[in-house]
Amino acid sequence: GENVEQHPSTLSVQEGDSAVIKCTYSDSASNYFPWYKQELGKRPQLIIDIRSNVGEKKDQRIAVTLNKTAKHFSLHITETQPEDSAVYFCAARWTGNEKLTFGTGTRLTIIP
Amino acid sequence: NAGVTQTPKFRVLKTGQSMTLLCAQDMNHEYMYWYRQDPGMGLRLIHYSVGEGTTAKGEVPDGYNVSRLKKQNFLLGLESAAPSQTSVYFCASSYSYQNEQFFGPGTRLTVL
Repeated sequence: GENVEQHPSTLSVQEGDSAVIKCTYSDSASNYFPWYKQELGKRPQLIIDIRSNVGEKKDQRIAVTLNKTAKHFSLHITETQPEDSAVYFCAARWTGNEKLTFGTGTRLTIIP
Repeated sequence: NAGVTQTPKFRVLKTGQSMTLLCAQDMNHEYMYWYRQDPGMGLRLIHYSVGEGTTAKGEVPDGYNVSRLKKQNFLLGLESAAPSQTSVYFCASSYSYQNEQFFGPGTRLTVL
């Protein structure tokens, strides 16, 4: 089955700096990679996703990059703000499968 | 639209008791999912459904049963609760497996 590893488990950055979270996946047939943000006590919400036919996708201050050869994808947040503090989860789904496999999460803290 | 709702928000059970968690969605989604969230372990899929009247096992199905008698509802049952089932339970739904999953607010369950 699919396995998704996420690093780091915790990350602290100064406000205004960039944050990068990386995930690796095991199944080369994976074709869909979403990122979810979960604020304290709230539900996970999709913030950005990428499909295997695209190498990079941007949405304002967040971007996701995909390296299919190395089987890893990363979330990049630029110009971080206090409201970016949350737990971020990556996930992967492989071709023909109906399920997402989630990483273990990264707790991001933005230091004012 | 209410989106995805879950009932109850909190529950405390004694070992051996049974209970049912209710998930409801008003987005006419075909797919519904039950996850559990434990510290350091991310979101793990318990059971899911690809349409009314269908259910399938996820990653951690033991000790749980589900039913999808109506398209808008997905029930998660614990027949004999164990302390290992203490967790936060999230329901999610999506139009198809290729679309974004929308999460409910979660149910915090404690088994003593």
